[in-house]
Amino acid sequence: SQTIHQWPATLVQPVGSPLSLECTVEGTSNPNLYWYRQAAGRGLQLLFYSVGIGQISSEVPQNLSASRPQDRQFILSSKKLLLSDSGFYLCAWSVLETSGYNEQFFGPGTRLTVL
Amino acid sequence: KQEVTQIPAALSVPEGENLVLNCSFTDSAIYNLQWFRQDPGKGLTSLLLIQSSQREQTSGRLNASLDKSSGRSTLYIAASQPGDSATYLCAVRPTTDSWGKFQFGAGTQVVVTP
Repeated sequence: SQTIHQWPATLVQPVGSPLSLECTVEGTSNPNLYWYRQAAGRGLQLLFYSVGIGQISSEVPQNLSASRPQDRQFILSSKKLLLSDSGFYLCAWSVLETSGYNEQFFGPGTRLTVL
Repeated sequence: KQEVTQIPAALSVPEGENLVLNCSFTDSAIYNLQWFRQDPGKGLTSLLLIQSSQREQTSGRLNASLDKSSGRSTLYIAASQPGDSATYLCAVRPTTDSWGKFQFGAGTQVVVTP
């Protein structure tokens, strides 16, 4: 069966510090990978998605970047955190079928607080 | 652009009552619609996925219907239990998308009181 891991679970960082959040998927090959942010009281905002190693697409301009160094590894980074980067970060995966069918599965999330 | 709305934002029901959660979307051209559950501080758990060619899906006490022409989906949870307390989100994948991207609603927060 497939599983998705995220770490760390919780992170408290000062403004201006760097960030690295990691997501790994097990039990599937060549998944599409996604980073979302969920701010308090708001819906999910898609930040980045990747359809393969080294292929990253950004949905919104921001202070963050993403990388996919391996097939099942997705990393979210920042060189200098802002207060507005605080939130709940979720990684998700899916596999697209030619029929258009695809189901998204989410990781446990990382709670980031920037002080 | 596809917009997904979930009304009400919050709902409280006594244990044993059936839950009815609504999801509406503005563009009927979708591949599929997915319902999720989110517990506080946790990730999203997939409940049901309905493909565009289907009208409903069932899993245990859960039943989700899809009416593409009217842009609506309804999630029914029979005989609610306190353990059903959570936020429920729906998401649609439009046919204009090639990368498996979903558009999410803001969710309905459900409290089932004993």
